[in-house]
This record gives sequence, structure tokens and C-alpha cells, in this order.
Amino acid sequence: GESVGLHLPTLSVQEGDNSIINCAYSNSASDYFIWYKQESGKGPQFIIDIRSNMDKRQGQRVTVLLNKTVKHLSLQIAATQPGDSAVYFCAENNAGNMLTFGGGTRLMVKP
Amino acid sequence: NAGVTQTPKFRVLKTGQSMTLLCAQDMNHEYMYWYRQDPGMGLRLIHYSVGEGTTAKGEVPDGYNVSRLKKQNFLLGLESAAPSQTSVYFCASSFTSGYEQFFGPGTRLTVL
Repeated sequence: GESVGLHLPTLSVQEGDNSIINCAYSNSASDYFIWYKQESGKGPQFIIDIRSNMDKRQGQRVTVLLNKTVKHLSLQIAATQPGDSAVYFCAENNAGNMLTFGGGTRLMVKP
Repeated sequence: NAGVTQTPKFRVLKTGQSMTLLCAQDMNHEYMYWYRQDPGMGLRLIHYSVGEGTTAKGEVPDGYNVSRLKKQNFLLGLESAAPSQTSVYFCASSFTSGYEQFFGPGTRLTVL
């Protein structure tokens, strides 16, 4: 069936480096994508979203890129900090007007 | 605003016991959701509601019931708990379906 998935379950980066978290989706009809951050013991928190009519959207230290040709979504975090350590989920609006969540990538920031 | 709150935060049940998880939101959202999250896995939708008095099944509804008697509250019930229902349960709400959802802090449930 249609699904959202992630390439890397765990990503380890040095503090100060940039992080890139990837997500593949298979539903070409999806028109909205969102990234969530989940810290240990907490609920998911919204980071950034993007609609399918855009290729790129920037927030504070974060950028989401959407490549509809290859059905790929990425989250870039600039100057990664220890506080960025968490699990990151992508989700898509799968045209059924519900969000479908990926399995998550754990980001570990080394001091 | 408190956002989305969940009670209790932790609970341990024996197989066959029942319990109700409470979710409350103060953002006047129409849509509310219950998810479960198992170790190393993403969120799976159990049930959802598109407004007061309505409920609908999600991806994994078996063994759960829900009620939305008031717009701000969404209750998740387990009538006869099973070890397979050991999980972390998250409630969420949103203005509209398919877009940003606001999550509560979660309830960690262990069924022995």
C-alpha cells in the first residue's frame, strides 16, 4: 500500500555540523508534508511543513526540500545543536485527508 | 493555553482489566485523534473524530473504543486489556483534517 518511509533509522552528527534527514513517499497524490520532532518522553512537535506546489521552505535553522519527481522529502538542520537530538518524523497528507507518519529517524548530536 | 493534555501519564494494568484514557484540548479544534506508538515504530492511528458526537476507525481500531461527548474531550477505552496493547498512546487535535496536528505528552501503558 501507499506509505511514507525513511532511509536512515539513526543519524549521528557532530555539534555545529549540518544534518540532513531523508524521507521517501510513494503516494503521488499527496499534497502536503510535515516534519515533526519528538524528544524522549514527549509528544511530537511541529517543525515545518510544505505544500506540493513548493520545492523548498525555510524556517529558523531548518529547511525542507521536496522533490516530487523522485518522491523525496528532506529536512536540513543548520549548525546542529545538542538540543536537536531527537527522533524526527515525516508525515504526508495521503489525499484521504489523514496524515500518514513515517517510522522516524533518530538524530544524535555529538559534542 | 494548555494545548493538548492527557491523563494519566503512566498506567500499569493486568490482562483483562479495563481503563479509559482522557484527552482534552483547549484550542477549539474540530478534529481529534488517538495514536499508538510502539518502540522503533511510527504513529499508528487508532480512532479519530471529526467533531463532537462523531467517531471513526483508524488503522488499528480493534480492542479500543472511543467517545467524543464534548468537543474538547476525546476518550479512549480499553474494555479488556491485552499485553499487545502495551504502548505509548498519543492524542492529537487539529483545525482541519490532513494538516498540522497538535500532540499531547502521551500516556505510557503497560499491560501485564
